Amino acid sequence: DIQMTQSPSSLSASVGDRVTITCRASQSIRTYLNWYQQKPGKAPKLLIYAASRLHSGVPSRFSGSASGPDFTLTISSLQPDDFATYYCQESHTSLTFGGGTRVE
Amino acid sequence: QVQLQESGPGLVKPSETLSLTCTVSGSSISSYYWSWIRQPPGKGPEWIGYIYYGGDTKYNPSLRSRVTISLDTSKSQFSLRLASMTAADTAVYYCARWDDYGDRFDYWGQGLLVTVSA
Repeated sequence: DIQMTQSPSSLSASVGDRVTITCRASQSIRTYLNWYQQKPGKAPKLLIYAASRLHSGVPSRFSGSASGPDFTLTISSLQPDDFATYYCQESHTSLTFGGGTRVE
Repeated sequence: QVQLQESGPGLVKPSETLSLTCTVSGSSISSYYWSWIRQPPGKGPEWIGYIYYGGDTKYNPSLRSRVTISLDTSKSQFSLRLASMTAADTAVYYCARWDDYGDRFDYWGQGLLVTVSA
């Protein structure tokens, strides 16, 4: 099974900060990597698919990149609405999600 | 606008079978893959499985022996059956659309908390 490891598990940030979240796959998944945002009591919402493609309607301050087994979600300037938990998910084999990163 | 809505019991007894239904609107159920995902309290989501029009299914290997997903195109619904429930199956259960073109879960239901308890 492919394991998805996110880091950090939580981080503290302020409005306007640049935030970076990392996800590492235990084996090659090429660019089959998605990012989701989840707020308490709500379903996850798709932000980024295929490692770097912005889903329709998602603000351009969100971006994704890939380098080998490492994937990065970047929020260029954190907004009040961005405080949430973020999950990566591989779409290559088992559709496995990472453990999440809470931005507070 | 694509909408998905889960329905079913919020409480199931140990050893019983969970049955949930997802009603789809705003999207043809004859296209796309239709999925079930669950999320235990305080943990990340876990994909359970999906079904495609025509009946093709794929399940998470860790749950395959207990899972059945079916489709009713006449009602625009798909369903989940998970047998031999235990406390470890307590979770919020989501239905979602899997867009095979973009390899992504692009629309989700609001979720339904299912608790396993006697």
